[in-house]
Amino acid sequence: EIVLTQSPTTMAASPGEKVTLTCRASSSVSYMHWYQQRSGTSPKLWIYETSKLASGVPNRFSGSGSGTSYSLTINSMETEDAATYYCQQGSSYPPTFGSGTKLEIK
Amino acid sequence: EVQLVESGGGLVQPGRSLKLSCAASGFTFSNYYMAWVRQAPKKGLEWVATISTSGSRTYYPDSVKGRFTISRDNAKSSLYLQMNSLKSEDTATYYCARHDRVGAWWFAYWGQGTLVTVSS
Repeated sequence: EIVLTQSPTTMAASPGEKVTLTCRASSSVSYMHWYQQRSGTSPKLWIYETSKLASGVPNRFSGSGSGTSYSLTINSMETEDAATYYCQQGSSYPPTFGSGTKLEIK
Repeated sequence: EVQLVESGGGLVQPGRSLKLSCAASGFTFSNYYMAWVRQAPKKGLEWVATISTSGSRTYYPDSVKGRFTISRDNAKSSLYLQMNSLKSEDTATYYCARHDRVGAWWFAYWGQGTLVTVSS
């Protein structure tokens, strides 16, 4: 089973700040997917196949990476981006999730 | 608009059974793999089960294999999760989720979740 390690566990960013969240896989994967979960709500697909934005996701978000190292970047932090972000791989069975990065607004 | 509405959660004693349901609408249900994903209180996400479009193939992680059974009724656009021999560690919110497309192992749409509490 591929283990996904997300860092940092928690972070706070100011409005307008650039933010980068990292996901590292214990073995190489073909793609990484990301979900956003705001407090008290269900997860939403945010980025799929490493760099494709899901419908409705603002273009200040981007995804990149390959092999064992992937990242989600917010170009300019906004209040509404405060949430927990989970990475997920489906390249290797079973599909697994990272433990999440909680992103707060300063 | 894609909608997934779960039901059937509740309080259940260890060792007992519970069956969850998910009513789907807004898309052609029979064309998509479907899944259950759970989230223990204040914890992360864990994939629980996936079923193929026809229901002929099912997939489970070791943590629930042999105890949980996923099924579907394409005529009713409904997904189910039969959970047997429940343990305290099965306590979680259970989400019904739709795979993005056949062969795609990520989850494009999620329901609002139903809470299962396993406790005596």
